[in-house]
Amino acid sequence: GENVEQHPSTLSVQEGDSAVIKCTYSDSASNYFPWYKQELGKRPQLIIDIRSNVGEKKDQRIAVTLNKTAKHFSLHITETQPEDSAVYFCAAVVYNQGGKLIFGQGTELSVKP
Amino acid sequence: EPEVTQTPSHQVTQMGQEVILRCVPISNHLYFYWYRQILGQKVEFLVSFYNNEISEKSEIFDDQFSVERPDGSNFTLKIRSTKLEDSAMYFCASRRQAGQPQHFGDGTRLSIL
Repeated sequence: GENVEQHPSTLSVQEGDSAVIKCTYSDSASNYFPWYKQELGKRPQLIIDIRSNVGEKKDQRIAVTLNKTAKHFSLHITETQPEDSAVYFCAAVVYNQGGKLIFGQGTELSVKP
Repeated sequence: EPEVTQTPSHQVTQMGQEVILRCVPISNHLYFYWYRQILGQKVEFLVSFYNNEISEKSEIFDDQFSVERPDGSNFTLKIRSTKLEDSAMYFCASRRQAGQPQHFGDGTRLSIL
């Protein structure tokens, strides 16, 4: 069935450094790739998304890249701040099949001041 | 900004009892979802609902689970006879249409004793 692999499971960076989280999906029909940030005990919150007809999208310090051929997509956070510390989940969606989110395993990002 | 609301925030139930988790999706949204997250693990899809019927369900969503949209605003998840392994955070999500992101509620923490 559909699967999304996410790496690394934990990531520790110094404030101001960049962080990169990578995901691989299995279903070539996937056409939408959101990223969610989840703080402890809270809901997943959408931080950025990308559609399959786009290779890269940027929103201030956050960017996402997509390689459809390799079925890879990545989240890049620049100039990290302590408030970026959270668990980040990637997901893949096939929208013409009901639109369920298939999540990766999550990356616990820790930004040290 | 409109939000998905879920009640209760925490539900404690004896094993074998029935439990109903409630959600009020965003008012102009058409697609509704339930997900669960066991502590420390990834978010898992349970069921999707569109046009007053289930559009897709996962292997987790067995005969003990059911969903209902009893009126124009509520979307409920019922577990008929709870098991210890049903203990998890349950998230409701909704989206307006294909290609739009899903918005999550704050979740209900279900604890089975």
